[in-house]
Amino acid sequence: QSVLTQPPSVSGAPGQRVTISCTGSGPGYDVHWYQQLAGTAPKLLIYRNTNRPSGVPERFSGSKSGTSATLVISGLQAEDEADYYCQSFDRTLGGIWVFGGGTKLTVL
Amino acid sequence: EMQLLESGGGLVQPGGSLRLSCAASGFTVSDNYMTWVRQAPGKGLEWVSVIYRGGSAYYADSVKGRFTISRDSSKNTLYLQMKGLRHEDTAVYFCARGGFTTDWYDPWGQGTLVAVSS
Repeated sequence: QSVLTQPPSVSGAPGQRVTISCTGSGPGYDVHWYQQLAGTAPKLLIYRNTNRPSGVPERFSGSKSGTSATLVISGLQAEDEADYYCQSFDRTLGGIWVFGGGTKLTVL
Repeated sequence: EMQLLESGGGLVQPGGSLRLSCAASGFTVSDNYMTWVRQAPGKGLEWVSVIYRGGSAYYADSVKGRFTISRDSSKNTLYLQMKGLRHEDTAVYFCARGGFTTDWYDPWGQGTLVAVSS
C-alpha cells in the first residue's frame, strides 16, 4: 500500500480535461509526476509541483495544496493513454522516497 | 544529452545473487544523487535505494541487508549488488538520476528485468 494515494483509473474522450489526484504528501515536500507509456520507462512530466521540463506539452500542468497534488491534462490526446505516478519524500516513515500507486489513464 | 543504460538482469534462483549495472553518459554519476527503482510485473513503482554524492547510501526496508548500491567513477557507472534474492524481488529495475529529498528523477534508464524463480 502506497503512502501517496492516487485513483486507480481515470478516463476521458479526446479533447477533454482530466485530473489525477495524489494525496498524502508531506506539507513541506514537493511532488513530482511521471508518465509511463506501455512497456517503457517512466518519463518526468512535472517537477516541483508545477514545473514542466523542456519538451513536455503545455497541456500538462500540476498544482499542490497542503498534502494534496493534482495533475491536469487538458485537450486529451490518444497518445496520453498511459500510467501516471506521483512521487515525493516522506519523513514520517523515517525518511524514504515514495510513489503513488499509479493511475491508468484511458482515452476513450 | 543525459542517458542511462542498465544491464545485468536475468533469471536467478531464490537465494541467488545478481549485480545490475547502470552506465551513464552526458553527466557524471559521482556528482549526482543516483537511485534505483523497481516495478514488479503489473504493479507500480517502488523506490529501492539511493546513493548520495558523498557516498552515503539508503535502502528500502524490503531490501536492507541484502542489496548494496555503489558506483565506479572511472567507469561512470552505478551498480546494485543483490544477494539473497527472493521471489518478491522479481521486477524491472530502473536506475535514475536524482535522489535528494527534494529531487525528481530524470532521466531514467530503460530498465532491466530480474526474475527470481526455481
